[in-house]
Amino acid sequence: AQSVTQPDIHITVSEGASLELRCNYSYGATPYLFWYVQSPGQGLQLLLKYFSGDTLVQGIKGFEAEFKRSQSSFNLRKPSVHWSDAAEYFCAVGLFSGGYNKLIFGAGTRLAVHP
Amino acid sequence: EAGVAQSPRYKIIEKRQSVAFWCNPISGHATLYWYQQILGQGPKLLIQFQNNGVVDDSQLPKDRFSAERLKGVDSTLKIQPAKLEDSAVYLCASSSGMGQGLMGANVLTFGAGSRLTVL
Repeated sequence: AQSVTQPDIHITVSEGASLELRCNYSYGATPYLFWYVQSPGQGLQLLLKYFSGDTLVQGIKGFEAEFKRSQSSFNLRKPSVHWSDAAEYFCAVGLFSGGYNKLIFGAGTRLAVHP
Repeated sequence: EAGVAQSPRYKIIEKRQSVAFWCNPISGHATLYWYQQILGQGPKLLIQFQNNGVVDDSQLPKDRFSAERLKGVDSTLKIQPAKLEDSAVYLCASSSGMGQGLMGANVLTFGAGSRLTVL
């Protein structure tokens, strides 16, 4: 069955430090991959997506992610974290099956940023 | 373009009561989703509409949950009777759907959610 695993439930980094959030997926074919961010009391905002082509994708707010087929991973990175990046981050795999599409989400990683 | 609108933003009810949530998707989006997000978990798909037809409701607890999308535009999700474990944020999302091509079909735009507390 298709699944998304985010191994880290909570991560704390200092402002200005680099960040990497891990995501592994289980899916038979090449998936469509997404990272969403959710600030407190808000809906989910799309950070970036991978459909095909270049395996390093750039997103909004200075985030990037790299698709590694051999590792079934799609890790999210940012070189220098800002206090406003504190939020919950969700990795998702997009499935297209039977003529319809849907997203399956991981459990999320909550990011705290220390000043 | 206007985003996905949801109401109410917050609702507190007692168990065994009923509640309804409303969603208005982005104009022209054929596909509408309802997700349930329990605290500390990722969103879980409850039901998916393509225009006004249901294409996936495999995880919808049909003994208490119902949803409709009349005229293929806005949608309501109802819970009756509510249980304590229904406390969650109910997220509505929409996407352009198959007609816009596969890439566009997979990009979901979410509303701010409706937070339900069942006491």
